[in-house]
Amino acid sequence: IQMTQSPSSLSASVGDRVTITCRASQSISRFLNWYQQKPGKAPKLLIYAASSLQSGVPSRFSGSGSGTDFTLTISNLQPEDFATYYCQQSYTTPQRTFGQGTKVEIK
Amino acid sequence: QVQLQESGPGLVTPSETLSLTCTVSGGSMSRFYWSWVRQPPGKGLEWIGYMYYSGSTNYNPSLKSRVTISIDTSKNQFSLKLTSMTAADTAVYYCARESSELFEGYYFDYWGQGTLVTVSS
Repeated sequence: IQMTQSPSSLSASVGDRVTITCRASQSISRFLNWYQQKPGKAPKLLIYAASSLQSGVPSRFSGSGSGTDFTLTISNLQPEDFATYYCQQSYTTPQRTFGQGTKVEIK
Repeated sequence: QVQLQESGPGLVTPSETLSLTCTVSGGSMSRFYWSWVRQPPGKGLEWIGYMYYSGSTNYNPSLKSRVTISIDTSKNQFSLKLTSMTAADTAVYYCARESSELFEGYYFDYWGQGTLVTVSS
């Protein structure tokens, strides 16, 4: 299964609402996770099972979708949210596949 | 709080074998999958493989012939061996815990800080 994220990068301002899309090459039900990675740091789990917010993650992060199309939305973008975001599918166990990443930059 | 810490050489000679260890603290290894993920400089994430706490393994097909993951639950450690290293294997290597919930799939909820491995003579 191939995971394709769009856009590859985007520029946004603090306070903006940002949407990142992840498309699977075939249906993966709701087995889709989102991670945030800052430079020099390990990825951090934000959303699992398409829409479940990981403990401790701010509620401005939300996920939706099922089947092949998924979105990560960041409402009221904060300075600490500028990072690269990855989607990852776990439907085709035991294989794990990541998207290519979306870099969110400051406008 | 669960913590993971990678250890191993930062420099590997071409054709040699990479050996990394991940030490887990703050929690049990039982009922979790223990994975390795790598990231070449400036690129995306690539899953290498996992070992379940009971000992079953699964590897990325693209690396399967060169990868071995092992676990020592008595020491709260798991390890990665990657043979026949080339420059293309230069990357930050992360160890990670993968959790699973019924109907919610599998997800990496704890990660090590990562260790840069450079393949060079």
